[in-house]
Amino acid sequence: DAGVTQSPTHLIKTRGQQVTLRCSPISGHKSVSWYQQVLGQGPQFIFQYYEKEERGRGNFPDRFSARQFPNYSSELNVNALLLGDSALYLCASSLGYAGNGEQYFGPGTRLTVT
Amino acid sequence: AQSVTQPDIHITVSEGASLELRCNYSYGATPYLFWYVQSPGQGLQLLLKYFSGDTLVQGIKGFEAEFKRSQSSFNLRKPSVHWSDAAEYFCAVGGGGGGNKLTFGTGTQLKVEL
Repeated sequence: DAGVTQSPTHLIKTRGQQVTLRCSPISGHKSVSWYQQVLGQGPQFIFQYYEKEERGRGNFPDRFSARQFPNYSSELNVNALLLGDSALYLCASSLGYAGNGEQYFGPGTRLTVT
Repeated sequence: AQSVTQPDIHITVSEGASLELRCNYSYGATPYLFWYVQSPGQGLQLLLKYFSGDTLVQGIKGFEAEFKRSQSSFNLRKPSVHWSDAAEYFCAVGGGGGGNKLTFGTGTQLKVEL
């Protein structure tokens, strides 16, 4: 079975632009979470979506938004990019919503903002 | 608020030597605790998890971890390290505020000397 897939793998954008990152969860998984990992740091939680509804949001500005589609895939959008948005963006999927559910991470999208 | 501290940023061990990576957490209730490993340019792979029950948990690749409530610790151990274990290791705590949001530590970079 395919694991969590993310696209694109790498992306270079200019300050002020907008970017959309995509994630396909493992088949049968209904929850998708997004994390930002800045170089040298641990991942930081951005959003969790479950059954197409936002179920959790981390301490990120409104420039960050996401949505989940009926097939449970998800998009993360970042507007008005800043240099500090340069990071590895990780998507994780899980069967359900609960905290003891195992999460499976994708390989990530490396975003560079110049 | 939940938090995780990994006191060691870098650790170097010789191949065949034992390994212990430290993790301390802060959480108001019984935590869900995880150890993940990340190889360069890769996503996160779950090594093991603790939810309840036996405080010594076994994971993949010969790793184990012990939950000590009195010390708020969840240290990762391996009796004999292999060169392929060189990677970054992240401790994470979950379960806070509902959902499966994970709070990660800053990671420990493991180098294995041959």
